Amino acid sequence: SQQGEEDPQALSIQEGENATMNCSYKTSINNLQWYRQNSGRGLVHLILIRSNEREKHSGRLRVTLDTSKKSSSLLITASRAADTASYFCATDAGNTGNQFYFGTGTSLTVIP
Amino acid sequence: DAGVIQSPRHEVTEMGQEVTLRCKPISGHNSLFWYRQTMMRGLELLIYFNNNVPIDDSGMPEDRFSAKMPNASFSTLKIQPSEPRDSAVYFCASSWSGWYNEQFFGPGTRLTVL
Repeated sequence: SQQGEEDPQALSIQEGENATMNCSYKTSINNLQWYRQNSGRGLVHLILIRSNEREKHSGRLRVTLDTSKKSSSLLITASRAADTASYFCATDAGNTGNQFYFGTGTSLTVIP
Repeated sequence: DAGVIQSPRHEVTEMGQEVTLRCKPISGHNSLFWYRQTMMRGLELLIYFNNNVPIDDSGMPEDRFSAKMPNASFSTLKIQPSEPRDSAVYFCASSWSGWYNEQFFGPGTRLTVL
């Protein structure tokens, strides 16, 4: 399966600290996306990075992509209590099909 | 825009009953996705429509599941007959041009099959 694996599964930090979560996948991709899910809610898109990009920023978010290692990282700087949520990476199947895979998720808790 | 609309938000039914979940995508989006989320299996793509045509249904678990998109503004996911293991949260999402762009998710339907 192409399903991504997030690391760590759970992360607890103090407000103001940075949070880093990682995603690994198995086959070539066209793009990788990060989503956030608050408890009991739907997913919200955070950022999309294409396979020919190495780094992307959006506000307090920084995403890197290393296609040679088939991995990506999401950095949230100056975390806030409102950042408490689960974070998922998602990848397409590249040229091998029409599937779309979500990772297992990282549960982030930001302590005020 | 109201975003992706799903109904019902909660559904409780008994094993063997037919269940129909509904989705209205964002106006102008041409791709629609149905996902299922459980603690055990995480988020799984069930089926993907592009321009109302099913492109990939390899994620549909079995013949008891069927999905239709009769027009650009409406889709249904039907389970007949339902089983307890179908209990999950079902999400619908839409996008412009498949997964080359961000997907917008609905609030989900929490299905409980007793």
